[in-house]
Amino acid sequence: GENVEQHPSTLSVQEGDSAVIKCTYSDSASNYFPWYKQELGKGPQLIIDIRSNVGEKKDQRIAVTLNKTAKHFSLHITETQPEDSAVYFCAASRRTYKYIFGTGTRLKVLA
Amino acid sequence: GAGVSQSPSNKVTEKGKDVELRCDPISGHTALYWYRQSLGQGLEFLIYFQGNSAPDKSGLPSDRFSAERTGGSVSTLTIQRTQQEDSAVYLCASSFTRQTSNYGYTFGSGTRLTVV
Repeated sequence: GENVEQHPSTLSVQEGDSAVIKCTYSDSASNYFPWYKQELGKGPQLIIDIRSNVGEKKDQRIAVTLNKTAKHFSLHITETQPEDSAVYFCAASRRTYKYIFGTGTRLKVLA
Repeated sequence: GAGVSQSPSNKVTEKGKDVELRCDPISGHTALYWYRQSLGQGLEFLIYFQGNSAPDKSGLPSDRFSAERTGGSVSTLTIQRTQQEDSAVYLCASSFTRQTSNYGYTFGSGTRLTVV
């Protein structure tokens, strides 16, 4: 069945360093790849997304890259700050509604 | 409303009891979704509603789970005869939908269900 693998499960970085989270999807027909940030006690919040016709997208300190051939996509956070500490989820979708989520990455930014 | 509202935020229930979880989506969003988030796991799709179309119930784990959406707005997820393995955070989300492109979900804060 459809599957999304996400690595690492936990990631600790020093404030100011970069963080990279990687996801691999199994369904080659997937065409939409959102990333969500979940803070403690809150629901996931969309932070960036990318569609299959684009290889890279940036929004300030956050960027996402997509390699359709390898079925990989990654989240890059530069100049990390303590408020970036949260759980991050990737997802892949081939339809207009149903997402397959990764298992999440707990990011800790150490001051 | 300004966001997706879920109630209650926390629910503790005894094994075997029925529970109802409520979701009030963003006004104007035609699509509504329920996901389940177990400890240390990703988000598991449960059910999807779109307008007046028949819902996609393919993710419901058993016939103890059911959901309805009244008037194209508020949705209720019902779990009958709760079991300990039902303990999780139940997340509701809503979105606009289009046939040829996807739009990100807006999630509520979830209902943390604990079955004791």
